[in-house]
Amino acid sequence: DGGITQSPKYLFRKEGQNVTLSCEQNLNHDAMYWYRQDPGQGLRLIYYSQIVNDFQKGDIAEGYSVSREKKESFPLTVTSAQKNPTAFYLCASSIYLMDQPQHFGDGTRLSIL
Amino acid sequence: GQQVMQIPQYQHVQEGEDFTTYCNSSTTLSNIQWYKQRPGGHPVFLIQLVKSGEVKKQKRLTFQFGEAKKNSSLHITATQTTDVGTYFCAGVGSQGNLIFGKGTKLSVKP
Repeated sequence: DGGITQSPKYLFRKEGQNVTLSCEQNLNHDAMYWYRQDPGQGLRLIYYSQIVNDFQKGDIAEGYSVSREKKESFPLTVTSAQKNPTAFYLCASSIYLMDQPQHFGDGTRLSIL
Repeated sequence: GQQVMQIPQYQHVQEGEDFTTYCNSSTTLSNIQWYKQRPGGHPVFLIQLVKSGEVKKQKRLTFQFGEAKKNSSLHITATQTTDVGTYFCAGVGSQGNLIFGKGTKLSVKP
């Protein structure tokens, strides 16, 4: 079955530590995205990538970094510079353009120890 | 910046009652999408509206796109407990990115 796989489902970070969230898709989609979701909030765009080796900052990119070395993979690193990282992180993909319907992974819930 | 406002934030209904959530944008949208997120789950794409005044139906769900392409609504007829979740609208911004509303959380009392 085609889909988006995010891992881990739950992640705990110590102060001053960088952590990387994995996102893999086998839908052959060109575009991939990372969103952050806080309770009672909508989805806020962190980074997006429309093709391999290219990505753009979203609305809340500070404290995060990404890479897109392969079409299938778009990992997100939450750096120690992100002072409030506790949130639900969702990875998504779409066929190509950003206005196409997006398919989401199951998400990673990040908490601070 | 560009915003997509969604109301109400919460809606509690008795099973069998109707439910409507509204979405408004400060600018004209090229299209609007609706997603549903079940509790503990991830958003799932429901539908996309593109044309001015467009109305689409999915069983008990009716989606509308305003004539000016600045607003949209989702109406559920005779809610069921399976309708529980948060419904998000998302409009395409000037940079081509999707801008999500904050969602309407629907709870249904059996």
